[in-house]
Amino acid sequence: GAGVSQSPSNKVTEKGKDVELRCDPISGHTALYWYRQSLGQGLEFLIYFQGNSAPDKSGLPSDRFSAERTGGSVSTLTIQRTQQEDSAVYLCASSLDTSGARAYFGPGTRLTVL
Amino acid sequence: AQSVTQLDSQVPVFEEAPVELRCNYSSSVSVYLFWYVQYPNQGLQLLLKYLSGSTLVESINGFEAEFNKSQTSFHLRKPSVHISDTAEYFCAVRNYGGSQGNLIFGKGTKLSVKP
Repeated sequence: GAGVSQSPSNKVTEKGKDVELRCDPISGHTALYWYRQSLGQGLEFLIYFQGNSAPDKSGLPSDRFSAERTGGSVSTLTIQRTQQEDSAVYLCASSLDTSGARAYFGPGTRLTVL
Repeated sequence: AQSVTQLDSQVPVFEEAPVELRCNYSSSVSVYLFWYVQYPNQGLQLLLKYLSGSTLVESINGFEAEFNKSQTSFHLRKPSVHISDTAEYFCAVRNYGGSQGNLIFGKGTKLSVKP
């Protein structure tokens, strides 16, 4: 595709349910990043992939959060037993590599936990 | 691990005034530096970046940033702002070399330009 795509664009769920957020990076981009954007919290790093491996998972807030990437392409961020504080916009970005290449951001998934 | 500090969460200015958005970073190795911008109701996009060479980099819409290694800073400046510059600006850093390719952002600075 022409850019990074994310689905769903909006997700409303009940507290305690599991959710899956999907990211389709730009074809050929080896690096993929997940961030969370909350009001007043700025852009919070969650996890970063180089190919299918995740060299840095330090930003995952708790063990309820996990992510995987398959085939060096699509990535899924899973949040188990969602809590109200998980409500945020989840952004995915990809870049050609991990050098000075720019990162292209997707439109985000707005998650609301009731 | 690297980190980015944007001291000002909000910067209100009048149109045609100069502005400086501050960014300081912390890293034990050499870095690439970026400024991203998020206009209201739009996604994040790259504004400018420093990779190597001249320490002063410019964007097409009049912003510039200067890499200062001794002060570990990458402040963003514009001599005369427009209403259309109202947005949130994020400074970001990535280590180069080795396996530390992560891209870390500051908390952002909301620039509000008033007529």
